[in-house]
Formats: sequence, structure tokens, C-alpha cells
Amino acid sequence: EDKVVQSPLSLVVHEGDTVTLNCSYEVTNFRSLLWYKQEKKAPTFLFMLTSSGIEKKSGRLSSILDKKELFSILNITATQTGDSAVYLCAVDQGAQKLVFGQGTRLTINP
Amino acid sequence: SQTIHQWPATLVQPVGSPLSLECTVEGTSNPNLYWYRQAAGRGLQLLFYSVGIGQISSEVPQNLSASRPQDRQFILSSKKLLLSDSGFYLCAWSVPRVNTEAFFGQGTRLTVV
Repeated sequence: EDKVVQSPLSLVVHEGDTVTLNCSYEVTNFRSLLWYKQEKKAPTFLFMLTSSGIEKKSGRLSSILDKKELFSILNITATQTGDSAVYLCAVDQGAQKLVFGQGTRLTINP
Repeated sequence: SQTIHQWPATLVQPVGSPLSLECTVEGTSNPNLYWYRQAAGRGLQLLFYSVGIGQISSEVPQNLSASRPQDRQFILSSKKLLLSDSGFYLCAWSVPRVNTEAFFGQGTRLTVV
């Protein structure tokens, strides 16, 4: 059975801390791995990773994929309260049919 | 630019009643369309996807059905709701191209009572 597993499920840190969110996967078809941020309703797209070892970066967020070990990490440095959200990892099996992990609920305390 | 509209935002329905959730996309042609469900504290589960008018693929057996009567319209339906149909339903679209992201609507929170 295809599965995507995220850890931790929940994380509480103080503003300014650096966090690392993990995503491992076991799927029959892999096209890409995507990270989304879900604050209240619609998940918003963060990164899409297709190749191992190439870091994607956007401001304080960065992500990298390891296709040999079948995992990805999402790093957030100098966290702010606005980073509080559920972070979702998903694997695209083709035609953007996404298999999602359970999500990591990140809470940033001031 | 492309936008996706989904309504209603919230819905409370009695068990056994019908359901119709609608999703429309603007600013693009021939998108791939998707319905996902998110149970409380869980990730999203793909229910249906469509690559064109009248073409619907179901990913999981369930009490729901989907239809695509027009190119940019996707409808999620049920004839008789069950308590287990409660959840957060998200519509999404993508460009039919390899390695591109999906974009989500604001979702409908359905509570079956």
C-alpha cells in the first residue's frame, strides 16, 4: 500500500527557533514530492522536488529530497508566529494524483 | 490568473439527505480536477479525479460520486449522506502536464448529523 509518513505529528517551538520536518514515503510510482502549508482552509504550495540532493529555497524555508532513502525534509529557520500551520507532504504518483502524509502541526510561540 | 471557487464553505446536513458540492475553475482550459477529503487530524485523501468532461476516476470505494458536466466545473454528490461522510472536502486543479503542482480551493466543511 502506498504511504507517506510525516514526523513529528506535532511540534511546539519558540519564535526564532529552527525546525526540521520529516517526510518519508513508500509508493509504487514516484514523479515528485510536494510540500504544502495549510493555515486554515486551502493548502498553499511551497515546494516541488523531483531530484535528489538539490535544495529548494524560499526565504527562510528550504527543502531537500533523498530518492535513495525515500525521504524529504523541510527546514524553517528563524521561525515566526506566522509560520504556525499544518505542513503537508505529498507524493505525486502521476497526473498530480497526490498521496498525502498526515501532516505536522507546527505551533510557534512568541 | 487562475482562480478556483468552491462552495458552500460550511454545510450541516441530516443523515440520509442528498449532497451537492460545486467547484469551478477560472482562467485555464482543460484542467485536471480533483476532490479530496480531509478527516480531522489527518492528511488529504484523494476521492476522485478527472482529466476531461465526463471522465471521472474514483480512487476509493465510498458513498459519494463526482461529475464534470463542463470543462471547468466539478461536482461532488451523494444521494444519501452517512455520518461517516463528515469531513473537510477540498477541490483542486492542475495543469495537465508532468511535474506540476495542484492548487486547492478553500474547502467545504461538511457535518452530517
